[in-house]
Formats: sequence, C-alpha cells, structure tokens
Amino acid sequence: NAGVTQTPKFRVLKTGQSMTLLCAQDMNHEYMYWYRQDPGMGLRLIHYSVGEGTTAKGEVPDGYNVSRLKKQNFLLGLESAAPSQTSVYFCASSYVAGVGKTQYFGPGTRLLVL
Amino acid sequence: QKEVEQDPGPLSVPEGAIVSLNCTYSNSAFQYFMWYRQYSRKGPELLMYTYSSGNKEDGRFTAQVDKSSKYISLFIRDSQPSDSATYLCAMRGGSSNTGKLIFGQGTTLQVKP
Repeated sequence: NAGVTQTPKFRVLKTGQSMTLLCAQDMNHEYMYWYRQDPGMGLRLIHYSVGEGTTAKGEVPDGYNVSRLKKQNFLLGLESAAPSQTSVYFCASSYVAGVGKTQYFGPGTRLLVL
Repeated sequence: QKEVEQDPGPLSVPEGAIVSLNCTYSNSAFQYFMWYRQYSRKGPELLMYTYSSGNKEDGRFTAQVDKSSKYISLFIRDSQPSDSATYLCAMRGGSSNTGKLIFGQGTTLQVKP
C-alpha cells in the first residue's frame, strides 16, 4: 500500500496563477482532510470531506476550493494564488471517526507563491 | 486563546535524557488525545494514541492524560538522536462525527549525541 500520496511535491507560482494539488489514498478511507502548516502556527484545517461527493469548510478555507469526485482522491484548488498561501500543504485521511481511528498523513506539498 | 497550547521550543537534550513534552487545552469535550512525530520535510506520523484519562506506554514512550487539569504529556526515556523531530499533540471530542483534530503548534526536539 502506498498510503497517502500527494502531487506535486514542490511548486512555485506567481501571484494570480491557479493550480490544483492532488491527494490520493489507497486505504479505502471515508474521511479526507487538507491542512496547511506554517511556522509557529501548527497544522490548520483548510477543508475536509466525510465521503465521496461531500466537502466542508475547516478553519482557514478562504482562497481555496476542494472536490471529492472519487472516494480515493481529494483535490485542493487555488484559483488565484497569493503570497499568503505560501505554505506546506498536507493531506490526511482516516476511517470514519471512532475509537482508535486517526488520521494518516501524506508527505506534503511545498508551495511558494511569488 | 488557542484551544490547544504547546511550547514550540526548541528543546535540546543530551542523548539518554528523559524528555517531557506537554500540551494544555481548554475544551473539556476533548476525549481522544494523540501525539504525532514529524521529521524534517516529512508528513506527521502517529506515535501515541490515548482515550480519556490515564497512561499508555509503548517502548520508550509514555503518554499521559490528566483531564481534570486539561493537560497531556509525552515522555521519552533514553532519548536517541533519531528522536530528533517535531512532536505535535492533537485532540478531538468524543462526539465528533467529522474526525476533525485540533493540533498544537508542535515542539521541536533535538537530541545531541
């Protein structure tokens, strides 16, 4: 099993450009999450999904959109990138919430917006 | 005030030392408590998981939860240079149907040979 994979690993964007980050998991997890990690801020939840075709806002959703058309994939989109979106983005997945069920993380995507 | 507070460090200790990492929280509804370890330029990986109060031990690692004080700890015995990483505490409520976790800032630990 590959677990949780993220594409791309690193990207440089100019202000105003758009891009899509792809997250894929092969563990048949229902729940998927997108976080951003910034120095001194820890992990902050951007959007999440509790199943195929469903998405919901997290703590810092502004400037991002997501889609979950297939159970195994969760896409994060930046329509018009801003320097404030320079960060490391992590995707995570989990089984339905319950005892012993926790989140498994991907390796991250480093994004630099100039 | 953040729901979960964690001293970012950095914390530097000699090899073989006992390390204590801590988090405090404000939401009394939190029931599940986790510690993640994150090596440089990698994703977080689950290290320890505890439900409600009490202790849990796994090898050199011990997790403690004191719900009355809203305080959780991770102890590392006989610390090794390979333990050098950032340690993130995370927690969530028992009734959560979304699985959303609230993370601390993370504490950076360096174990010197």
